[in-house]
Amino acid sequence: QKEVEQNSGPLSVPEGAIASLNCTYSDRGSQSFFWYRQYSGKSPELIMSIYSNGDQEDGRFTAQLNKASQYVSLLIRDSQPSDSATYLCAASYNNNDMRFGAGTRLTVKP
Amino acid sequence: DAGVIQSPRHEVTEMGQEVTLRCKPISGHNSLFWYRQTMMRGLELLIYFNNNVPIDDSGMPEDRFSAKMPNASFSTLKIQPSEPRDSAVYFCASSRLRQPQHFGDGTRLSIL
Repeated sequence: QKEVEQNSGPLSVPEGAIASLNCTYSDRGSQSFFWYRQYSGKSPELIMSIYSNGDQEDGRFTAQLNKASQYVSLLIRDSQPSDSATYLCAASYNNNDMRFGAGTRLTVKP
Repeated sequence: DAGVIQSPRHEVTEMGQEVTLRCKPISGHNSLFWYRQTMMRGLELLIYFNNNVPIDDSGMPEDRFSAKMPNASFSTLKIQPSEPRDSAVYFCASSRLRQPQHFGDGTRLSIL
């Protein structure tokens, strides 16, 4: 069974802090990894993609991938209340069939 | 550019009725995905198509569910007969082959 595991949270951080979201996956054949943000009542929105070991940065967001440990993380620097949402980790096993974790609910408190 | 377009946005119907959900993918995208999201089970992939051909329907829960993609710009997901446990938000997503997926706004389905 292909699985993507996330801590469901909720994760609460103060405004301006770093939020750290973690994800593990079970299939070593996974090739592509994604972070989606989903606001309540809205659809998932792609915020980061990462395909190789190391860090991928985009503005306040950094995705980290460690294939040896089968671990993916998302760091959000200078967290803002508008970052409050559920963050979904996804792994693609054949570059098409994407499996999602259950999501981590993040709350950034002003 | 228009995103993935789903209709209807909301559907309320009685159990036993046929439900048809519709999706128009982003132009130029050749992969299309149907997902179901519930609080209990999260986001589940039901079926996906590449170039209008169904590739993996192992996530379709029962024979009551069927999906078609008659052309590159249209897909349907049908539930017949519908049951209360089918109540969920159904998302359609599309992508270029092996690229990240973009989601529609979803259809919130309630079966009474």
